[in-house]
Amino acid sequence: QKEVEQNSGPLSVPEGAIASLNCTYSDRGSQSFFWYRQYSGKSPELIMFIYSNGDKEDGRFTAQLNKASQYVSLLIRDSQPSDSATYLCAVRGYNQGGKLIFGQGTELSVKP
Amino acid sequence: DTAVSQTPKYLVTQMGNDKSIKCEQNLGHDTMYWYKQDSKKFLKIMFSYNNKELIINETVPNRFSPKSPDKAHLNLHINSLELGDSAVYFCASSQETAGLARTGELFFGEGSRLTVL
Repeated sequence: QKEVEQNSGPLSVPEGAIASLNCTYSDRGSQSFFWYRQYSGKSPELIMFIYSNGDKEDGRFTAQLNKASQYVSLLIRDSQPSDSATYLCAVRGYNQGGKLIFGQGTELSVKP
Repeated sequence: DTAVSQTPKYLVTQMGNDKSIKCEQNLGHDTMYWYKQDSKKFLKIMFSYNNKELIINETVPNRFSPKSPDKAHLNLHINSLELGDSAVYFCASSQETAGLARTGELFFGEGSRLTVL
């Protein structure tokens, strides 16, 4: 079992729709959860992080965490073509020296 | 000013050669990392240094040797390159608070694309 799993996609949504990206993780001791966006040929950039169960909203982005189900998701409302990228879920355990374990990423395509 | 800079951006070399990638960060962070991203976009940690001390050393062949002369620099030397070493290597940095794993966004460099022929 992979430590962090995501559907690789591609996930295709029309412009203006809600894109839903999902991630599961295997280590119950995981403490911090991150969503990174990576455009083709570029480096990953952080868009959201979440530590506590529940929802966290930032503009068009909402991260959802359910530690009991070991599940974290990212919702993108009013999707734009500029949101087309690969979204990487990353998880960090406690006292692991800062190590982030990444999922394989979900490719999102937003069609105009 | 670039926060995390890597050189070179592109490396094309023959099997068996030795190559180095350099990384520098001007964010004042105390922790630096090397990640490898393969052709399927899977990003995997290789090494991490905190204030010049090696703290993470994943299962990486001995041909890979990191070196941190100071907390702002982290270099990666690769001996006897193999075809499977072809990937994008990302340097990253973060500010870690001792004992706490909750903080610490990773700031990535632009990546160094290594192609081994």
